[in-house]
Amino acid sequence: AQSVTQPDIHITVSEGASLELRCNYSYGATPYLFWYVQSPGQGLQLLLKYFSGDTLVQGIKGFEAEFKRSQSSFNLRKPSVHWSDAAEYFCAVGATYGGSQGNLIFGKGTKLSVKP
Amino acid sequence: EAQVTQNPRYLITVTGKKLTVTCSQNMNHEYMSWYRQDPGLGLRQIYYSMNVEVTDKGDVPEGYKVSRKEKRNFPLILESPSPNQTSLYFCASKSSRDRGLGSYFGPGTRLTVT
Repeated sequence: AQSVTQPDIHITVSEGASLELRCNYSYGATPYLFWYVQSPGQGLQLLLKYFSGDTLVQGIKGFEAEFKRSQSSFNLRKPSVHWSDAAEYFCAVGATYGGSQGNLIFGKGTKLSVKP
Repeated sequence: EAQVTQNPRYLITVTGKKLTVTCSQNMNHEYMSWYRQDPGLGLRQIYYSMNVEVTDKGDVPEGYKVSRKEKRNFPLILESPSPNQTSLYFCASKSSRDRGLGSYFGPGTRLTVT
């Protein structure tokens, strides 16, 4: 069965420091992979996605993620965190075939706090 | 502007009182779905619809109903709400032609059942 694991429930980084949020997935083939961000009291915004091609994908707000097939990982990175990045981040897997192509399986989320 | 709208945004109700949360999208998307978000559990899919009159259960369908009579609308119905359905609900839509394209999410509906 498909699943997504985000090992870190809560991460705190200093403003200006680099960030890496971990995501591991379980899927029978190469899935579609997504990172979403949810600011407090807000809905979900798509940061970036991967479905084929270059394994390093660029997203909005200066984020990037790297797909590593051998490690079943899709970690999110940012070289320098801003206070406005404080939010909850969700990794998600999407089916690439069959009737459930639109379904997303989400990880449980990683809450990011930013220290001044 | 492309968007998914949900109404109401906030709702407090009592156990057993039927309610409907509406969802509408203006992008002519075939695929629509409902998720609930609970602390520590992330988002879990309740129901989805691949097109008009085609719906199917997601991971947590118990206590919910949906219908898809029009392409743009996908209401979520709680026939007899219970306190364990207190949650934050998101509707999402996606085009079936854009493989790998991320879903568009609505702003969420915070439901409290007392």
